[in-house]
Amino acid sequence: SQTIHQWPATLVQPVGSPLSLECTVEGTSNPNLYWYRQAAGRGLQLLFYSVGIGQISSEVPQNLSASRPQDRQFILSSKKLLLSDSGFYLCAWSVLRRAGNEQFFGPGTRLTVL
Amino acid sequence: AQRVTQPEKLLSVFKGAPVELKCNYSYSGSPELFWYVQYSRQRLQLLLRHISRESIKGFTADLNKGETSFHLKKPFAQEEDSAMYYCALSGMDSNYQLIWGAGTKLIIKP
Repeated sequence: SQTIHQWPATLVQPVGSPLSLECTVEGTSNPNLYWYRQAAGRGLQLLFYSVGIGQISSEVPQNLSASRPQDRQFILSSKKLLLSDSGFYLCAWSVLRRAGNEQFFGPGTRLTVL
Repeated sequence: AQRVTQPEKLLSVFKGAPVELKCNYSYSGSPELFWYVQYSRQRLQLLLRHISRESIKGFTADLNKGETSFHLKKPFAQEEDSAMYYCALSGMDSNYQLIWGAGTKLIIKP
């Protein structure tokens, strides 16, 4: 069966420090991978998605970047965190089908920037 | 423009009362509609999709193309239904990516 992991679960970082959040998927090949930020009252904001190794699409301009060094690994990074980067970050995967696109979510990472 | 609107940020109903979470969409083609749910301290997960025409945990949702709506309904709310609910759509025009509503927090009062 397929599983998705994210770590760390929680993170407290000072402003200006770097960031690296990792997401890995098991039990499937060539998944689409997604990074979302979930904010109270604002729903899910798609940050990045990837349809293959080294292929990253950015949905919003921001202080963050993403990379996909391996088929089932998706990394969210920042060189210098801002206060506004605080939030709950979700990784998800899917296998694209013509009939739809069910996404499966990881447990999330709670990031607090102080 | 492709858009999903959930007009209620918060919905509070008493246990045993009917529940309706509203979802309206704007889409030029034929979308597939979904409801996702996130219970406290659990992962966001798919609740149901319109194409399946199924009832999950007593919830149903009917796609109304004329009103461009996909409201989620349950005749008798239970306390364990308290959660965050998101409506989303997918279709060819969005390259099959999910377009999300802002979410509705449902609170069931005892």
